[in-house]
Amino acid sequence: GQQVMQIPQYQHVQEGEDFTTYCNSSTTLSNIQWYKQRPGGHPVFLIQLVKSGEVKKQKRLTFQFGEAKKNSSLHITATQTTDVGTYFCAVPSGNTPLVFGKGTRLSVIA
Amino acid sequence: EAQVTQNPRYLITVTGKKLTVTCSQNMNHEYMSWYRQDPGLGLRQIYYSMNVEVTDKGDVPEGYKVSRKEKRNFPLILESPSPNQTSLYFCASSRGSGDLSYNEQFFGPGTRLTVL
Repeated sequence: GQQVMQIPQYQHVQEGEDFTTYCNSSTTLSNIQWYKQRPGGHPVFLIQLVKSGEVKKQKRLTFQFGEAKKNSSLHITATQTTDVGTYFCAVPSGNTPLVFGKGTRLSVIA
Repeated sequence: EAQVTQNPRYLITVTGKKLTVTCSQNMNHEYMSWYRQDPGLGLRQIYYSMNVEVTDKGDVPEGYKVSRKEKRNFPLILESPSPNQTSLYFCASSRGSGDLSYNEQFFGPGTRLTVL
């Protein structure tokens, strides 16, 4: 089934620095979803990208879908302690409706 | 309030003692799913259900059973738990219309299971 590579696995940043996580697929994707899981919490849907080259913004978060629809990125500008958590991408899979990346755990040092 | 509920939230048990983790959603969602989350491995799907009486294996179904007798409930059954099933379990639901990969998944709060 579909596999998606998410990098980096961990990222430690100083508060105020930027952060980016990437999801890469070997095949063309119809869409990609992003979720955030706070420490001790459950994954919560952030956004879905569908169109080639699509860029969507949510306050300090910028989501991008690659032109070839094989990769996506989530960029956070000027991180805050409230950004701490694990960010997952999720993509369609042949075996199951959705498969999740392994996630990027973000730590923010105040 | 629209939500997915799971019970129990925490469970410590012993090898071989059958257990059931319940999952219920009040959003009239057709699709429900179970995941386990382990450090470094992300979220891995155990079983999913497209609708009542329809269930399918996910990526890691061994040692688990599910049933979908009612639309709102999707219990996860461990007939003979083993220590390698110690994990954090999440139930999720979404609308079942069209391509499911386009539908937002709503997750329950999680069940932390320890099998001794």
